[in-house]
Amino acid sequence: QVQLVQSGAEVKKPGASVKVSCKASGYTFTSYGISWVRQAPGQGLEWMGWISAYNGNTNYAQKLQGRVTMTTDTSTSTAYMELRSLRSDDTAVYYCARARRNSEDYWGQGTLVTVSS
Amino acid sequence: QSALTQPASVSGSPGQSITISCTGTSSDVGGYNYVSWYQQHPGKAPKLMIYEVSNRPSGVSNRFSGSKSGNTASLTISGLQAEDEADYYCSSYTSSSTQGYVFGTGTKVTVL
Repeated sequence: QVQLVQSGAEVKKPGASVKVSCKASGYTFTSYGISWVRQAPGQGLEWMGWISAYNGNTNYAQKLQGRVTMTTDTSTSTAYMELRSLRSDDTAVYYCARARRNSEDYWGQGTLVTVSS
Repeated sequence: QSALTQPASVSGSPGQSITISCTGTSSDVGGYNYVSWYQQHPGKAPKLMIYEVSNRPSGVSNRFSGSKSGNTASLTISGLQAEDEADYYCSSYTSSSTQGYVFGTGTKVTVL
């Protein structure tokens, strides 16, 4: 069965960076893309971007351009999302999800990133 | 990208049908048949309910259906059940600013 397992919760100080991992199993990793979506406490979903696991092509949300980098390691079927220059409003649950047919069909369990001094 | 507009809340009694709207522009909802709907229970990851306007993934109840007219997409839940109480989000591909995807503001569905 398809599974996406994310790394554990993180606490970071403003200005620091965080890197969240997402290990995929149960399907051919390079046949699909991975999307990243975040959700601030009590707020809605925000699309952060997408990476092709086939060739590494990326598409980032305009508001995060310059601060976010998405990568994949096909040898371990793992996707990564790094966010730099963290601010308090980056506090959120970060989700990875398999991208298929212009939607996200399987989701990770989420990773809480807390930015606090 | 501005979020798509959804009603904050919709409610209905068990067995009734409800419809959630998702309004965008010709650069997103109206311009592409790439609208998805997600269900999210508290503390859980979202679950895909509808993709590409009206397609149901395997395993999703046929009580859920999607449609689109102009710049507005809709999710209809028929035969409302207690387990349907959750937050629902629409999503669409958008060609505005950098191409990508945008979510709706979210709708809380309450089963009375």
